[in-house]
Amino acid sequence: DTGVSQDPRHKITKRGQNVTFRCDPISEHNRLYWYRQTLGQGPEFLTYFQNEAQLEKSRLLSDRFSAERPKGSFSTLEIQRTEQGDSAMYLCASSAGTLDTDTQYFGPGTRLTVL
Amino acid sequence: TQLLEQSPQFLSIQEGENLTVYCNSSSVFSSLQWYRQEPGEGPVLLVTVVTGGEVKKLKRLTFQFGDARKDSSLHITAAQPGDTGLYLCAGAWNDYKLSFGAGTTVTVRA
Repeated sequence: DTGVSQDPRHKITKRGQNVTFRCDPISEHNRLYWYRQTLGQGPEFLTYFQNEAQLEKSRLLSDRFSAERPKGSFSTLEIQRTEQGDSAMYLCASSAGTLDTDTQYFGPGTRLTVL
Repeated sequence: TQLLEQSPQFLSIQEGENLTVYCNSSSVFSSLQWYRQEPGEGPVLLVTVVTGGEVKKLKRLTFQFGDARKDSSLHITAAQPGDTGLYLCAGAWNDYKLSFGAGTTVTVRA
């Protein structure tokens, strides 16, 4: 099964540290998305890539957040100078981008805890 | 801000009972997806509905998309403990972005 994979699954860090998460989408999926989910809420859109181009960033994505997808395959999400409010599940999804109804498939997520 | 409202927020039923989860919005969506999520895991896609009035069945699960494509429901017949989880609806109103509801936590007691 070559679904969406994310690494690490869990990350505990101290406030002020930088963290980086990786997402490997389903192969040949040209769209990749990052979402954030806090307890008791559904996922919220953060950003979206079409191949290597980052086409939209949510207002939720402050200047401390940066995402890249350098070769149009895997993606990284970096958070600089983490704050306790950054504690959440970070979800990655990918889609084929070839149909009008473009179903997104999610990875298992990275749970971030900022102490 | 969640554009989709899900109800109820929590649902606890006995094994064998039926349940319905609702997803409502004031926006028209091009498609709507239902996901199920277990603690510590990512959402797993159950179904995508596209056409207003569409009904899809997946074993004991029945999904309906409203005629105006603003609302949807998920009905589970003869629920089993394995159906326990967080059910999320997500609407797509443009080419790519999903807007999720807050979810309905379903607990099926054996």
